[in-house]
Amino acid sequence: EDKVVQSPLSLVVHEGDTVTLNCSYEVTNFRSLLWYKQEKKAPTFLFMLTSSGIEKKSGRLSSILDKKELFSILNITATQTGDSAIYLCAVEAFMIKAAGNKLTFGGGTRVLVKP
Amino acid sequence: GAGVSQSPSNKVTEKGKDVELRCDPISGHTALYWYRQRLGQGLEFLIYFQGNSAPDKSGLPSDRFSAERTGESVSTLTIQRTQQEDSAVYLCASSWGQGASYEQYFGPGTRLTVT
Repeated sequence: EDKVVQSPLSLVVHEGDTVTLNCSYEVTNFRSLLWYKQEKKAPTFLFMLTSSGIEKKSGRLSSILDKKELFSILNITATQTGDSAIYLCAVEAFMIKAAGNKLTFGGGTRVLVKP
Repeated sequence: GAGVSQSPSNKVTEKGKDVELRCDPISGHTALYWYRQRLGQGLEFLIYFQGNSAPDKSGLPSDRFSAERTGESVSTLTIQRTQQEDSAVYLCASSWGQGASYEQYFGPGTRLTVT
């Protein structure tokens, strides 16, 4: 069974701090890894990673994938209160039987940024 | 343009009753996904449609759950004989094609509470 584990479960930081979120996975037929930010109900897409060692960056957020050690990290630098959210990691795997792809989500990391 | 919409936004039902949740995807999106998110947890994949067909139904938690899609548009998720453990937010997402290389656009979700 495909598995995606995120750590820590939650963390509290102050504005300006840097946070590092972890996502490890065990899936068959890996295709890609995705990060989402969830503030209310609907998650919003952040990054999609397919290749090891290539950092993706968007403003203060960056992410990298290690396909050998089967994990990814999401970094947020100079955090702001607006970064407070649940950050979800999802791994896309190819389903041979269904001839399609499926996303398996981790449990998320709840980040609270205090002023 | 209009995003993914879901209805109702909130539903409170008594244990044992049937409920029907609706998802209107973005027009033209061929792929449609249903997820469940229990309180404090990550997203759990339920089922996806490519067009009107669902190649993989193995994510549905039990035979009380069923889903259909008509006209490559609206989808309904039906839960029969609801149980308290069914209480969760049910999220729908749609994309231009199947697979993570096509960004999934999430709806606002339906919060289901079974009393």
